Amino acid sequence: EDQVTQSPEALRLQEGESSSLNCSYTVSGLRGLFWYRQDPGKGPEFLFTLYSAGEEKEKERLKATLTKKESFLHITAPKPEDSATYLCAVQSPGTGFQKLVFGTGTRLLVSP
Amino acid sequence: NAGVTQTPKFQVLKTGQSMTLQCAQDMNHNSMYWYRQDPGMGLRLIYYSASEGTTDKGEVPNGYNVSRLNKREFSLRLESAAPSQTSVYFCASSEWEEANEKLFFGSGTQLSVL
Repeated sequence: EDQVTQSPEALRLQEGESSSLNCSYTVSGLRGLFWYRQDPGKGPEFLFTLYSAGEEKEKERLKATLTKKESFLHITAPKPEDSATYLCAVQSPGTGFQKLVFGTGTRLLVSP
Repeated sequence: NAGVTQTPKFQVLKTGQSMTLQCAQDMNHNSMYWYRQDPGMGLRLIYYSASEGTTDKGEVPNGYNVSRLNKREFSLRLESAAPSQTSVYFCASSEWEEANEKLFFGSGTQLSVL
C-alpha cells in the first residue's frame, strides 16, 4: 500500500530563515510526486510535479527535489506570505489521479 | 477565469437530513473528483468521474452518491447525513497539461452534521 509521511507537522520560521520540508514515501513504483500549497479556508493549489529521482523544480523562493525515497521542499528566505500548509502526494504507475495518496501536510508559519 | 466552483461554502445539517454539494469547472476537463479532508488525515477520494457519463468509487464512498450531470458539473449527494460525514469537501478536476498533470481544486465546502 502506498504511503506518504510529511515532516515536521508544523514549522515556525522567522522571515528570511531558510528551511526544508520533508515528504517520505513508500510506493511500489513512482509515476509522479506532487506538491500543493493550501491556504486556510481554500483548496490546495498546485506547485510542482516531480517524476524521477534527481529532478528539481523551482518557483520563486521554493525548490522541490526528489530522491528514490523522499522529496524535499526547500524554502529560501521565506516571507510571511509563504505561510500555508504544504501537501505532498504520490501517484503510482498505470494509475490516474484516482489513486493519488496525500500526506497530512506541514503547516508553515513565517513570522515577520 | 473561475476554475472549479463549489457551492455552498458552509452547511450545517441534522443527522438524517440530505443535501447535494454542487461543483462546476470551466476548464473543459474530462476528469472530476470529490475529496474529503479531515484533521490529521490526508485528502481522501470519495468518488471520481473519468469522463462524462462515468463515475467510480474512490477510497471512502460509503454514504455518498454522485452524478456527472455533463462535462462541466459533478455533484455529491449525502442521502442521510451522519456525524461521521462532518468534514471539508473539495471538488477537483484534472487534465494533462503541458507534460505536467495537475489537479485543480475548488475552495471547499465545510459541512457539519449535528
